[in-house]
Amino acid sequence: SQKIEQNSEALNIQEGKTATLTCNYTNYSPAYLQWYRQDPGRGPVFLLLIRENEKEKRKERLKVTFDTTLKQSLFHITASQPADSATYLCALHNAGNMLTFGGGTRLMVKP
Amino acid sequence: KAGVTQTPRYLIKTRGQQVTLSCSPISGHRSVSWYQQTPGQGLQFLFEYFSETQRNKGNFPGRFSGRQFSNSRSEMNVSTLELGDSALYLCASSLGVGGGTEAFFGQGTRLTVV
Repeated sequence: SQKIEQNSEALNIQEGKTATLTCNYTNYSPAYLQWYRQDPGRGPVFLLLIRENEKEKRKERLKVTFDTTLKQSLFHITASQPADSATYLCALHNAGNMLTFGGGTRLMVKP
Repeated sequence: KAGVTQTPRYLIKTRGQQVTLSCSPISGHRSVSWYQQTPGQGLQFLFEYFSETQRNKGNFPGRFSGRQFSNSRSEMNVSTLELGDSALYLCASSLGVGGGTEAFFGQGTRLTVV
């Protein structure tokens, strides 16, 4: 069956460092992969989308890589700030607009 | 441009009752999807509507149903509520169809079943 795995343990880093979050998937051949940010009690907010034929995508301090051979995506936040503290979710596209989400990784950036 | 609006924000219901949740998508968005989020299962897809037609359905019992109106607003209904239905229910709207489109989520409806 299809499975998406994100590190369920919280990631604690120091302000200014680069945070790297991992998303692994099995039994999928997704055409797209998306990353979302979710704050407590709020809905997810879209961050980045990467296509299967793209190796890397950047947006300001954010960078996403997509390795369809390893079936893995890495999400990087450079020069992290306490305001980046949140849960980050990766999502794979199925049919239509149906997204299958990973369990999310909680990022804590300490000042 | 107004975002996705979900009502109500909070709801407390008793086991066995039914509940209807509402979602107003971003103006111009014709695709609406619903998700259930719980601490144990995470975000799980319920169903997706486009132009009043259900396009996809997740692995949930028939007690969960939905519909979409001609103005793209959507409702979901849960009948015969169970304690396990307590969750944050999220609605997302998208401009197009296909995975290359970002989803805009509402704030969610927090349903508590007692």
